[in-house]
Amino acid sequence: GENVEQHPSTLSVQEGDSAVIKCTYSDSASNYFPWYKQELGKRPQLIIDIRSNVGEKKDQRIAVTLNKTAKHFSLHITETQPEDSAVYFCAASIFTGNQFYFGTGTSLTVIP
Amino acid sequence: ETGVTQTPRHLVMGMTNKKSLKCEQHLGHNAMYWYKQSAKKPLELMFVYSLEERVENNSVPSRFSPECPNSSHLFLHLHTLQPEDSALYLCASSQERGGGNTGELFFGEGSRLTVL
Repeated sequence: GENVEQHPSTLSVQEGDSAVIKCTYSDSASNYFPWYKQELGKRPQLIIDIRSNVGEKKDQRIAVTLNKTAKHFSLHITETQPEDSAVYFCAASIFTGNQFYFGTGTSLTVIP
Repeated sequence: ETGVTQTPRHLVMGMTNKKSLKCEQHLGHNAMYWYKQSAKKPLELMFVYSLEERVENNSVPSRFSPECPNSSHLFLHLHTLQPEDSALYLCASSQERGGGNTGELFFGEGSRLTVL
């Protein structure tokens, strides 16, 4: 089955700096890659996703890049703010399936 | 109420108890999921129900028993659990993917389970 690895497990950045979280996957059949944000004590929520037919997607300060050949994808947050502090999970999935394979999460702390 | 709601939010039980977790979704979705969230581990998919039929069962011990009486409700029945089963249990729902729909998972806030 699919194996998703996520790095780093913890990340601290100064407010205004950029943060990058990286994930790799093993199954070349995976073609849908969502990112979820989980604030402390709250539910995970989708923040951005990308399908394998594009290499990059951007939504304001958040962007995701995908390298299908290398089987890795990354989350980029620019101009970080304290409210970006949370745990971020990447996932890989086959678009027509119900199975999402999650990474172990990255705890991001933005220092004011 | 909207979204995905889970009860109870916190549960403490002994290893010989029988309890149930409940999940209700008000989004009109046709798939529901149970995930287990433990510290330092990926979210682990336990069960998936699509159109009230169980489609995934990822080698979950039989002490966890799911029930999906209709597309809006999902239960996780717990019996003779072990301390290592202590975790946050997250319910989620989604709409079948296709067309313009990505099948985004909508999570509940979780039920924090402690097994003594």
